[in-house]
Amino acid sequence: QSVVTQPPSASGTPGQRVTISCSGSTSNIGSNYVYWYEHLPGTAPKLLIYRNNQRPAGVPDRFSGSKSGTAASLAISGLRSEDEADYYCAVWDDGLSGVVFGGGTKLTVL
Amino acid sequence: EAQVVESGGGLVQPGRSLTLSCIFSGSSHYSINWVRQAPGKGLEWVGSIRSKGFGGTADYAASVKGRFTVSRDDSKSIAYLQMDSLKIEDTALYYCTGCSGIYPHFDSWGQGTLVTVSS
Repeated sequence: QSVVTQPPSASGTPGQRVTISCSGSTSNIGSNYVYWYEHLPGTAPKLLIYRNNQRPAGVPDRFSGSKSGTAASLAISGLRSEDEADYYCAVWDDGLSGVVFGGGTKLTVL
Repeated sequence: EAQVVESGGGLVQPGRSLTLSCIFSGSSHYSINWVRQAPGKGLEWVGSIRSKGFGGTADYAASVKGRFTVSRDDSKSIAYLQMDSLKIEDTALYYCTGCSGIYPHFDSWGQGTLVTVSS
């Protein structure tokens, strides 16, 4: 069980907006930046959001991140079939002195 | 942005050792990190080593601390993950990643190398 919790699954139809949550504590999300990764099976994970809400070059603005207190979320608007993937939040944990990943959320586009 | 390519995976018996390599290019200022994914499981951070400019120190996940060692040779642009006393639960696809900022800003990833621990 990760110290950072995500829902195991999420779904939406094309064009919809979906949100994936990431819940932690004061030692991780509450005091450090949150990062989000997209992982398609058989490929390398890809950095999607850094420092809570910043997008690397090339990531569409359909993807956005936010953080409040000890929780963070990833929002995907204008859902597309190619967004079907596993999404992970990641954050440094001061108590563990290490990086923790959320358990991952499998997004299904119906 | 650094480019990374890992190698060295394979089949190894429990209790034995294996060393993975990661060739990185782009900048010697990056920290190099290892992340793994066990079959059917999520991503798990294994360990990281900072660049010399930031002390060159390493950090490890509790699950591997004392058994795994991360090192780097910037003159050859290679990083290593030495894995000792391997356990069946260490079976996973191991990714090498480059980090251009603070952890866990992993902005470059290799394709992964598979480690199978089995008798």
